[in-house]
Amino acid sequence: KAGVTQTPRYLIKTRGQQVTLSCSPISGHRSVSWYQQTPGQGLQFLFEYFSETQRNKGNFPGRFSGRQFSNSRSEMNVSTLELGDSALYLCASSSVGGNGGYTFGSGTRLTVV
Amino acid sequence: GESVGLHLPTLSVQEGDNSIINCAYSNSASDYFIWYKQESGKGPQFIIDIRSNMDKRQGQRVTVLLNKTVKHLSLQIAATQPGDSAVYFCAERLQEYGNKLVFGAGTILRVKS
Repeated sequence: KAGVTQTPRYLIKTRGQQVTLSCSPISGHRSVSWYQQTPGQGLQFLFEYFSETQRNKGNFPGRFSGRQFSNSRSEMNVSTLELGDSALYLCASSSVGGNGGYTFGSGTRLTVV
Repeated sequence: GESVGLHLPTLSVQEGDNSIINCAYSNSASDYFIWYKQESGKGPQFIIDIRSNMDKRQGQRVTVLLNKTVKHLSLQIAATQPGDSAVYFCAERLQEYGNKLVFGAGTILRVKS
């Protein structure tokens, strides 16, 4: 079966701009989580969506937001980009209950200049 | 954030030897644990998982051990191969937070041929 698909793979933006990243989960998975990975902070949880509802949110400013569509695809948006937002943004999908593991996509590498 | 990855420890092993990667987790109420492998330019790849009601689980060439008394998790890789070279992360899930995973800082595994 197809894995988790994230688009785009690479993105370069300027400070102050906004960006939207996309994630298509594994077919049948209804939970989509987003993580930010940086060399200094490691992997940090951003938020989780389940059945179009945000179920959990990490400790990130309100500039980071997301949504999930009825087909379980998810988008995350970062507004007013800062240099420190440069990171690898990862999306993970899981089945109901999540005990089958969480499958990650290859991520979107965002560079803010 | 909960995951800090400032300086990753490195484990260097000779090809064919066994590797043991350790992880201390943070929350005694975590109910599910996962080991991931991440290669350069890729997202984390699921290796093996274990639930909190178990203390050992084996996969193909890998074994995960869970010691809840000291909140310690280990990943054992038998007959380590050059293709095992990567960064390894442990992750814990606190069920009351849904599918939120908290990641350890990671360990770099280098396999010498």
